[in-house]
Amino acid sequence: EIVLTQSPATLSLSPGERATLSCGASQSVSSRNLAWYQQRPGLAPRLLIYGASSRATGIPDRFSGSGSGTDFTLTISRLEPEDFAVYYCQQYGSSPWTFGQGTKVEIK
Amino acid sequence: EVQLVESGGGVVRPGGSLRLSCAASGFTFDDYGVSWVRQAPGKGLEWVSDINWNGVSTSYADSVKGRFTISRDNAKNSLYLQMNSLGAEDTALYHCARRSNGYYFDYWGQGTLVTVSS
Repeated sequence: EIVLTQSPATLSLSPGERATLSCGASQSVSSRNLAWYQQRPGLAPRLLIYGASSRATGIPDRFSGSGSGTDFTLTISRLEPEDFAVYYCQQYGSSPWTFGQGTKVEIK
Repeated sequence: EVQLVESGGGVVRPGGSLRLSCAASGFTFDDYGVSWVRQAPGKGLEWVSDINWNGVSTSYADSVKGRFTISRDNAKNSLYLQMNSLGAEDTALYHCARRSNGYYFDYWGQGTLVTVSS
């Protein structure tokens, strides 16, 4: 099973700042089969990025994804108040599909 | 609007059983595979089980294999999860999630809470 490790566990930033979240895989993720999700408190996860870098429908362009192989990054260019949430990466290139443990982006 | 609404959660004793349901609307249900993904209190996401569009192909996480059974009824636009031999480690919020053709999850329900406790 591919283990995904997200860092940092918590990111303390101010609105307007840039956020950089990392997701490392224990094995290469085939065909860039990596997604990012946002989860606000009490709500269902929301798909942000698939295919490592493709934005899902309706996702603002301040969210961008990059990476390949074992190293992936989610960048939020300028944090808006609604962006303070927990972010998860997920690989779907090999079974079982696995998630990272999450990065919490909190207001500094 | 795509909607996934889970139900059937509750408190169950260790060793007990529970059946979860997920009602889908706003899309052609039998065009998509669907999964169950759970989230233990204060923890991250764990994929549990998946079923393809016609119910022929199913898969399970090792942690639930042999205890949980996923099924669907396309005529009722519904997904199910039969959970047997439940243990404390199964306590979680259970989400159903629509699986895109690319195997990522593009829509999620809000979840139904399962608590295993004596």
